[in-house]
Amino acid sequence: TQTVSQSDAHVTVFEGDSVELRCNYSYGGSIYLSWYIQHHGRGLQFLLKYYSGNPVVQGVNGFEAEFSKSDSSFHLRKASVHWSDSAVYFCAVSADAKLTFGGGTRLTVRP
Amino acid sequence: DMKVTQMPRYLIKRMGENVLLECGQDMSHETMYWYRQDPGLGLQLIYISYDVDSNSEGDIPKGYRVSRKKREHFSLILDSAKTNQTSVYFCASSFSGGQNTLYFGAGTRLSVL
Repeated sequence: TQTVSQSDAHVTVFEGDSVELRCNYSYGGSIYLSWYIQHHGRGLQFLLKYYSGNPVVQGVNGFEAEFSKSDSSFHLRKASVHWSDSAVYFCAVSADAKLTFGGGTRLTVRP
Repeated sequence: DMKVTQMPRYLIKRMGENVLLECGQDMSHETMYWYRQDPGLGLQLIYISYDVDSNSEGDIPKGYRVSRKKREHFSLILDSAKTNQTSVYFCASSFSGGQNTLYFGAGTRLSVL
């Protein structure tokens, strides 16, 4: 059974700040890790994913995430956030076609 | 145009009524999903469909059934809806395999009174 946890339900930063959204997972085998973003009233949209190779993966809009096997983590980062980055971010893990999502982190970017 | 379309967007039903949520995709994806989203619980997988008439239970299938008679169309049915099925329902699709990106619809907000 795969599980994923996002320890921060809410994160608030100012425009231009850097941000890290945390994601930890548990699974014994090979997995795919991904991040999705959900703007208010919309469906989820894919940001980035990792399976193997370079542990730092680049996504859209300046987002990147780093995989750590030792920490069982896949944290999402952005160097300088914009107000339009305000949304809920979901980490997800899959070993087959079934994706398991974390509870989400609501990011609020203040002007 | 890569799109997942859900109908209706909003729905109000009384307890005990039947509910049909429709989902369509234009990408010829083999795999389709139904999730529900509740505050604080993230997304929970209800059913997954690997192709036409090849459906599998997700984590919370009780009280739901699905139908997939065409690759591009996946329906979620609630027979005799219950108040605890009030939620936002999302349909998604992907090419086969867990490594593939999911494309989500905009969601259906269902209220069961």
